[in-house]
Amino acid sequence: KNEVEQSPQNLTAQEGEFITINCSYSVGISALHWLQQHPGGGIVSLFMLSSGKKKHGRLIATINIQEKHSSLHITASHPRDSAVYICAGRIQGAQKLVFGQGTRLTINP
Amino acid sequence: DSGVTQTPKHLITATGQRVTLRCSPRSGDLSVYWYQQSLDQGLQFLIQYYNGEERAKGNILERFSAQQFPDLHSELNLSSLELGDSALYFCASSVGATEAYEQYFGPGTRLTVT
Repeated sequence: KNEVEQSPQNLTAQEGEFITINCSYSVGISALHWLQQHPGGGIVSLFMLSSGKKKHGRLIATINIQEKHSSLHITASHPRDSAVYICAGRIQGAQKLVFGQGTRLTINP
Repeated sequence: DSGVTQTPKHLITATGQRVTLRCSPRSGDLSVYWYQQSLDQGLQFLIQYYNGEERAKGNILERFSAQQFPDLHSELNLSSLELGDSALYFCASSVGATEAYEQYFGPGTRLTVT
């Protein structure tokens, strides 16, 4: 079992829908990253959070450290949001990130 | 554009060969991280350097090695290449030494071993 699990693995939705991607982890982490990887392969860091909630444009990330769970929400989804979204946990006491397997999101016009 | 550059973009080589991947961090960033992304394993942390010194090691094979030079660019050396080493190799940089700092990813080097 992976230390960081994402769901769903694949998600297809229509433009305008509200999207939720979930990330659960089984190890103690001190922070969680959400990354976006576009079809060309490039990776962009979306959020880094250790508590509560962060918002950037149409993207919202939340984390509950006690429940070991984080969510990434996209409001008013658009085809350009189509990408793979990856969560990664920073292991407590260790200088490394552990990655989820990614969620492939496809937004149809 | 993250400000992190990686060369080459693509590399095709044969089994048993040795290759060097290069990464230049963002201006002002002292940490460089190397990651491997393969189809079956997803993203995996390989190694981190901070200001020229090895800081953390992940799932890096003994056939792989890395270093960070005084100008802070880093190289990842892969030797005795096997088919399973085919992957995307990313480097990322951050200003600080720990994972508390945001990481900025380079565009990656796609390695194909034939």
